[in-house]
Amino acid sequence: EDQVTQSPEALRLQEGESSSLNCSYTVSGLRGLFWYRQDPGKGPEFLFTLYSAGEEKEKERLKATLTKKESFLHITAPKPEDSATYLCAVQINTPLVFGKGTRLSVIA
Amino acid sequence: DAGVIQSPRHEVTEMGQEVTLRCKPISGHNSLFWYRQTMMRGLELLIYFNNNVPIDDSGMPEDRFSAKMPNASFSTLKIQPSEPRDSAVYFCASSLRTSGELAKNIQYFGAGTRLSVL
Repeated sequence: EDQVTQSPEALRLQEGESSSLNCSYTVSGLRGLFWYRQDPGKGPEFLFTLYSAGEEKEKERLKATLTKKESFLHITAPKPEDSATYLCAVQINTPLVFGKGTRLSVIA
Repeated sequence: DAGVIQSPRHEVTEMGQEVTLRCKPISGHNSLFWYRQTMMRGLELLIYFNNNVPIDDSGMPEDRFSAKMPNASFSTLKIQPSEPRDSAVYFCASSLRTSGELAKNIQYFGAGTRLSVL
């Protein structure tokens, strides 16, 4: 049973077309929720950590939000360079449990 | 800082051969993680170390896999004998684990080793 589910699996956007990626989780005792970006042939790159429901964090065109059951990564007016796989992960103890990711393609 | 360094970047080997993957964590970090990434299963934790001591190896698929961390600046993941189903990208990550604030222990990943077992 997956503890972390990301949707959609893949998303194709036109440049400037805003959208959201979803990460839902079923674990209890969440200590933190992490968002990473992964480019082809590279390791995941840290974006955000959220600790409690209602928390929001922003970085350039990205904004991450957290509720008690899910997190959203909102992408505002995306550019082609935002194309990547976005991974979310939950932390209960030291290890992270990752979702399978959303592959985002932004077309110029 | 140079970040987490993994070698080799690519490894092609034949079934039955021994494979050794190497990782140098970020200086000063005290936790190290080995992950495997495949299209089917995503990113899976294999084993992690705190202060060079293996804490949880429940993700290691079978006895053919072993990992060591002889000192704070080096770790290896060994597969012997290798099989075609071991083909994947293997990542090493490190973090600075501080007591009482586990959620702030951000993991930083290396570029990975792409392993192909023929």
